[in-house]
Amino acid sequence: AQSVSQHNHHVILSEAASLELGCNYSYGGTVNLFWYVQYPGQHLQLLLKYFSGDPLVKGIKGFEAEFIKSKFSFNLRKPSVQWSDTAEYFCAVRTGGSYIPTFGRGTSLIVHP
Amino acid sequence: KAGVTQTPRYLIKTRGQQVTLSCSPISGHRSVSWYQQTPGQGLQFLFEYFSETQRNKGNFPGRFSGRQFSNSRSEMNVSTLELGDSALYLCASSRKPLAGADSSTDTQYFGPGTRLTVL
Repeated sequence: AQSVSQHNHHVILSEAASLELGCNYSYGGTVNLFWYVQYPGQHLQLLLKYFSGDPLVKGIKGFEAEFIKSKFSFNLRKPSVQWSDTAEYFCAVRTGGSYIPTFGRGTSLIVHP
Repeated sequence: KAGVTQTPRYLIKTRGQQVTLSCSPISGHRSVSWYQQTPGQGLQFLFEYFSETQRNKGNFPGRFSGRQFSNSRSEMNVSTLELGDSALYLCASSRKPLAGADSSTDTQYFGPGTRLTVL
């Protein structure tokens, strides 16, 4: 069965610091990749997704992610975080076969003003 | 437009009882997926319904079931509740099924969840 690993469970940054959250998956075939965010008290929402094409994907609120097939990774980045980026971030993978999404355990990001 | 709504928002049940949760998708969305979120297991896919048919099912026991109505509203039912069923149950809707040929252009929108506590 496929699995998704998010290595950083808790990340604490100061405003303006750069962010990179790791996401690795175990499936070797065609994958669809997603990053979701859940702000305090709000619904889970899509940040960005990758299906095919340019491996560097840009999402909302200045976030981007890079798909590196050889490393089975889809890391999330933001060059300068803001206090409002404080949230829980989830990586998810869907394989071409089942389309059932598998989620990582999530990373809690706290940004200090 | 209105987002995905789930009712009730909070529920307390005792072991052995059954529970029904409801999800109303965004207007025009025909796919509804259900997820279970727990501190121990994280977010796990339960099942997906599209046009009143179950399209995908996750690795959950048969006590977990669902259905979808002609207006795309969906319900999930858990019978013979166990303590481990305590969780936040999320539903998400989209226009197209997860396995649709052009699902890359579609987005799942999540609801606020139903917090189920089993005592």
